[in-house]
Amino acid sequence: DSGVTQTPKHLITATGQRVTLRCSPRSGDLSVYWYQQSLDQGLQFLIQYYNGEERAKGNILERFSAQQFPDLHSELNLSSLELGDSALYFCASSVDPSGGASEQFFGPGTRLTVL
Amino acid sequence: AQSVTQLGSHVSVSEGALVLLRCNYSSSVPPYLFWYVQYPNQGLQLLLKYTTGATLVKGINGFEAEFKKSETSFHLTKPSAHMSDAAEYFCAVSVSWGSQGNLIFGKGTKLSVKP
Repeated sequence: DSGVTQTPKHLITATGQRVTLRCSPRSGDLSVYWYQQSLDQGLQFLIQYYNGEERAKGNILERFSAQQFPDLHSELNLSSLELGDSALYFCASSVDPSGGASEQFFGPGTRLTVL
Repeated sequence: AQSVTQLGSHVSVSEGALVLLRCNYSSSVPPYLFWYVQYPNQGLQLLLKYTTGATLVKGINGFEAEFKKSETSFHLTKPSAHMSDAAEYFCAVSVSWGSQGNLIFGKGTKLSVKP
């Protein structure tokens, strides 16, 4: 158990819908990262938050957005869903705000299926 | 820009045989390098990491990796494979500047262990 929790574990929805994925980082970790894992693209970095502020953006679509709340949990919002958004979405956290050498601890992931 | 290449999407070894998973990286700055393992239906778990100092890094479960700057490689090895090592392995390089620290992953290598 990494200490990072993600809910829900599975999510099945239809095209055009909007969903919210939730992540609680390890106690004491200020940085939260979101990654998408798909068969086509592999593991891709989406976005990073540190102590409530966005710090880095990767290959995140405009239809996707995220935020980190004062209690440090984070939500990833996916809207206007398409079939191609079906993937495993991971949240990770680290203690070091500058990332780099710090280990990122990964949650178990949310498997999103868009029908 | 950083990138990671893992040679071989699937490696199969016999139980007790040497495990060698290959990873080459590209980075314009001294890299931080990681190996993560993903068991079926689980999140990623850190095996080992290289930041600075000793180039031979020992990790969990008997794995080790050697950072070779001249070859831009960070291959993962284990002297004797166990059935429990069957999983997918990801090599990653850390993007690190300012307060950013997201990981760039290779495509992954699925390790099968035959009895």
